[in-house]
Amino acid sequence: DQQVKQNSPSLSVQEGRISILNCDYTNSMFDYFLWYKKYPAEGPTFLISISSIKDKNEDGRFTVFLNKSAKHLSLHIVPSQPGDSAVYFCAASGSGGSQGNLIFGKGTKLSVKP
Amino acid sequence: SAVISQKPSRDICQRGTSLTIQCQVDSQVTMMFWYRQQPGQSLTLIATANQGSEATYESGFVIDKFPISRPNLTFSTLTVSNMSPEDSSIYLCSVPSGLKRNEQFFGPGTRLTVL
Repeated sequence: DQQVKQNSPSLSVQEGRISILNCDYTNSMFDYFLWYKKYPAEGPTFLISISSIKDKNEDGRFTVFLNKSAKHLSLHIVPSQPGDSAVYFCAASGSGGSQGNLIFGKGTKLSVKP
Repeated sequence: SAVISQKPSRDICQRGTSLTIQCQVDSQVTMMFWYRQQPGQSLTLIATANQGSEATYESGFVIDKFPISRPNLTFSTLTVSNMSPEDSSIYLCSVPSGLKRNEQFFGPGTRLTVL
């Protein structure tokens, strides 16, 4: 059973508009959440993270929102650029797990059209 | 950031054979992680490789199937043994960034196809 779910396999957005990628989780023990971006033939690269004690974290064009009661987080990219086209993975971890044990979603492929 | 390379980048293998994947990091790290991404699935942690001790395997993964070596602080290998088509996946190694909790640097991955 998937503990981290990204229900949209793909998303297409026009350049300059907002991209919103969603992620839901089921395990209430998760207390730290991360977003990774992956280009073809490359490994995932860290994008942004948020602790469960916060509900928002912003880094430039990227903002992650966390709604603990709904067990939902989202990544907002504003404005979207063609270079943002990639697969985005949501990941979660809990303080009780092994350090490397990030639980990943299946990813959402974002396409930003010029 | 750490630079991580993996060899081979891809391979096509026959069932019943074994493949060893190499992971090289450009700096010394205590922990290295091995992940698997099966087609259409999420990345799943296979094991944590610590230098000087046995690897720690996650539930569902065993040493006989995925033996790991960690001879020094910059290198690790993962062997996929007695392969079957279900082992067709992308295998990735990663290391902690040391900057943020759970932030990891990933290698480019090894795409394995088992016929």
